[in-house]
Amino acid sequence: EAGVAQSPRYKIIEKRQSVAFWCNPISGHATLYWYQQILGQGPKLLIQFQNNGVVDDSQLPKDRFSAERLKGVDSTLKIQPAKLEDSAVYLCASSLRAQVLNSPLHFGNGTRLTVT
Amino acid sequence: GENVEQHPSTLSVQEGDSAVIKCTYSDSASNYFPWYKQELGKRPQLIIDIRSNVGEKKDQRIAVTLNKTAKHFSLHITETQPEDSAVYFCAASDGFNKFYFGSGTKLNVKP
Repeated sequence: EAGVAQSPRYKIIEKRQSVAFWCNPISGHATLYWYQQILGQGPKLLIQFQNNGVVDDSQLPKDRFSAERLKGVDSTLKIQPAKLEDSAVYLCASSLRAQVLNSPLHFGNGTRLTVT
Repeated sequence: GENVEQHPSTLSVQEGDSAVIKCTYSDSASNYFPWYKQELGKRPQLIIDIRSNVGEKKDQRIAVTLNKTAKHFSLHITETQPEDSAVYFCAASDGFNKFYFGSGTKLNVKP
């Protein structure tokens, strides 16, 4: 099966600029996650969608980050304006069902963001 | 919320030796514990997982043990090979969406 697709792979922007990341989950996967992985740390959940509804966005910095999953398939994560501390790898993951006990996470290759 | 702590942060072993990585968690509601391997510049990949109704699970050279009473679980890799070199992450989940990851262990297997 095709994996989780993300683009771009790399992005370099200056602080205060805007950036958007795109994710296409595995076909048929209802749940989609965006994680932020700062160098040397484990992934931190930013937002979770179940189909096109938000399940958890408690750790999303809503003053600058936004995400949407129109039609319950692809998703876009946006940062506006970016700060230096946003430099990280942004990982998208999907799972077949919300009940992860039976459907583990499948990760994309991530987008490495560098804010200068 | 859940707090997952992982130790050690780095681990260096000789090829053929065993490696053990330990994680503790705080939320007694957590009942699903996956382990991910992340090679440099690549995506995290699930290598093994364990559910709370099982104390130990083995898959070839990899095993995971779980002690629910003490709230800790461990990854054991036997007969390590250079290709096992990577960063390993543990995670805990209540089985309903919420994943919490450890900070990772960088394993270096020396030939």
